[in-house]
Amino acid sequence: KAGVTQTPRYLIKTRGQQVTLSCSPISGHRSVSWYQQTPGQGLQFLFEYFSETQRNKGNFPGRFSGRQFSNSRSEMNVSTLELGDSALYLCASSLDWSYEQYFGPGTRLTVT
Amino acid sequence: LAKTTQPISMDSYEGQEVNITCSHNNIATNDYITWYQQFPSQGPRFIIQGYKTKVTNEVASLFIPADRKSSTLSLPRVSLSDTAVYYCLVGSRNTDKLIFGTGTRLQVFP
Repeated sequence: KAGVTQTPRYLIKTRGQQVTLSCSPISGHRSVSWYQQTPGQGLQFLFEYFSETQRNKGNFPGRFSGRQFSNSRSEMNVSTLELGDSALYLCASSLDWSYEQYFGPGTRLTVT
Repeated sequence: LAKTTQPISMDSYEGQEVNITCSHNNIATNDYITWYQQFPSQGPRFIIQGYKTKVTNEVASLFIPADRKSSTLSLPRVSLSDTAVYYCLVGSRNTDKLIFGTGTRLQVFP
C-alpha cells in the first residue's frame, strides 16, 4: 500500500507571498491532518479534515487554511508568508480522528 | 489539554532496554497517549498508543500508571537503528486538541 505523499518536498518563498502544499493520503483514509514542525516550537497541530470538512483546528492564525477534496487529497495554503513560517509541514492520514496516523515526508518551506 | 514534558536526550547501548517517560500532569479523562518515532528528514512513525495500564506490541510497551499523569515508552533490546527522536502525544477524543511533547533524542551506541 502506497504511503502518504507530499508535494513539493522543498519550497523557497519570499515574505508576503502565498504558498500551497499538497498531500495525498493512504488509500481508504478519510482523515487528513496537518502539522508544523520547527526547532523552536516542535510539532504543532494545524488542522484536520474529514470528508471534505475541517473538523478540528489548532491554534494558528487565519493565514493558514486548507481544504480536502472528494478523493481525500488535501491542500494547505499559507497566505502573506512571514519569516516565522519557515518550517517542515507534515501531513498525516488516518482512518479517523485519534487513530494511528501515518505521516508523509513533509514539505520544507523556507521563507526569505 | 495536558502539557507534555520529556527528557531532551538519552543515551543507551545496543541490547539494553530503554525507558522514556513523558509527563502530562493535566491529562483529562478522555485523553489518549501515543508515541511516535522520527528519523531525520522523515515524518514521525507510529509506535504505540494507549489509554491506561499497559499496552504491548511487537516493538514496544507503553506503561500508564493509574493517575495517568505520566507514561513510559519501553523499548526492549535497542539496536543502532533505534537512534531517533521519540515524541509522546496527548490527544483528546472529544475536543480538537493535540499536544506533542518536546521530543527525546535517543542515541544508541554499539
